[in-house]
Amino acid sequence: AQSVAQPEDQVNVAEGNPLTVKCTYSVSGNPYLFWYVQYPNRGLQFLLKYITGDNLVKGSYGFEDEFNKSQTSFHLKKPSALVSDSALYFCAVNNAGNMLTFGGGTRLMVKP
Amino acid sequence: ETGVTQTPRHLVMGMTNKKSLKCEQHLGHNAMYWYKQSAKKPLELMFVYSLEERVENNSVPSRFSPECPNSSHLFLHLHTLQPEDSALYLCASSRKPGLSTDTQYFGPGTRLTVL
Repeated sequence: AQSVAQPEDQVNVAEGNPLTVKCTYSVSGNPYLFWYVQYPNRGLQFLLKYITGDNLVKGSYGFEDEFNKSQTSFHLKKPSALVSDSALYFCAVNNAGNMLTFGGGTRLMVKP
Repeated sequence: ETGVTQTPRHLVMGMTNKKSLKCEQHLGHNAMYWYKQSAKKPLELMFVYSLEERVENNSVPSRFSPECPNSSHLFLHLHTLQPEDSALYLCASSRKPGLSTDTQYFGPGTRLTVL
C-alpha cells in the first residue's frame, strides 16, 4: 500500500521569503514522488519528481525538492517566494504501476 | 497548455440526464486516466486505460462509464448521476503504461454540477 500526507492545509509566506510545503509518504519499496501545482479553475501542472539519485531535485519555476529517506519526507522548497506562486500544491507517490496516490493538498498564500 | 484538452469545461446536468465528458491528448502517450477532485478530499483515481484497454477501475459506480476508442481520446459517459457526483473531473495521460516513474500530464478539467 502507498500513502502520502500533507500536514498543512495552508501555508502563508511573505513575498521574497523562502517557502516550504511539507509532504511525507509511506510506501513499500522504492518511492517515486511527484509535486503538482493547481491554479484556480485549472488542471494540475507538473512541477518536479524524485526517482533516484540526488536528494535535491530541481524543477520548474525555481522550485526544488529535498528528499529525506530516513524521515520519509519530500518537502517542496523555493528560496524566494513570488505572489504568483499562490496556488494549491499536491504531492503524490507512485510505486504501483499506474496508481498515483495524492495528498490532500496545501494552499500556499504569498503576501506582498 | 499541457497537451491535454478537455471539453466541456463546465457542465450542469439534472439527475436524469445523460452526458459525456471528452478528453484528448496530443502528446503521443499510451495511457490515459480519469480522476475525480471533490472539495475537501484528495484526488481519486477512477479509471486507467493502457493502450486502449481498461486496466484499473477503482470501485467506481456504474453510472460512470468510460470509453477509450484510441490512444488519443478518452470519454466519460454519465447517466443518472447524484448531487454528490458534483466535482472537477480531470483527465491525464502518460507515456508508458504501468511505469511508476512516468509523469502524468493533466488537462484543465470539467467542472460538473449535478442538480
